[in-house]
Amino acid sequence: DAKTTQPTSMDCAEGRAANLPCNHSTISGNEYVYWYRQIHSQGPQYIIHGLKNNETNEMASLIITEDRKSSTLILPHATLRDTAVYYCIVRVAVIGAGGTSYGKLTFGQGTILTVHP
Amino acid sequence: NAGVTQTPKFRILKIGQSMTLQCTQDMNHNYMYWYRQDPGMGLKLIYYSVGAGITDKGEVPNGYNVSRSTTEDFPLRLELAAPSQTSVYFCASSLTGLYNQPQHFGDGTRLSIL
Repeated sequence: DAKTTQPTSMDCAEGRAANLPCNHSTISGNEYVYWYRQIHSQGPQYIIHGLKNNETNEMASLIITEDRKSSTLILPHATLRDTAVYYCIVRVAVIGAGGTSYGKLTFGQGTILTVHP
Repeated sequence: NAGVTQTPKFRILKIGQSMTLQCTQDMNHNYMYWYRQDPGMGLKLIYYSVGAGITDKGEVPNGYNVSRSTTEDFPLRLELAAPSQTSVYFCASSLTGLYNQPQHFGDGTRLSIL
């Protein structure tokens, strides 16, 4: 599995952009980078994903370097409700015991983002 | 937008009891998944399904059973509850299993075995 490295914690002022980095130097050519977040003990919330181009949706932007070895999640205007654990994940294909396949999500330790007033 | 709905939200079981955790999705997704998350740990895949009638084991299937009779529903069964199964259980779904299809999660079931 392609491993990811994220800072343990980050702080951000409310209203400012939050830039969360992630290193994934062993990523393979057809593997996507996914970002999820988990608020308290709620279910993981999908944020965004990408292969090699930069992506933007209503929640965030994803910047992937040209060599695909790292990426940055950008929350353009952080609010207090964005305080959460953010997970950068490289999704890999796995074959199950019965021969079917799925895209595995491996949730590591993530980055604890604290947005303060 | 209901998405993925899990019931119950909380449950306390005695050792040896059985129960079924319910999961339903209204997005017409083909793939569904069951994960468990122990305190301070990442999610571990228990079982998944690629469509009605087809299920497969994930990383930690022992002690659990699943079935998928409809596209919408994917219940998880604990037959003989053990303290090691105390955890938060999350159900998820995705349109397909392809790399570019995100998984969407429910809010979880918090299960304690005493």
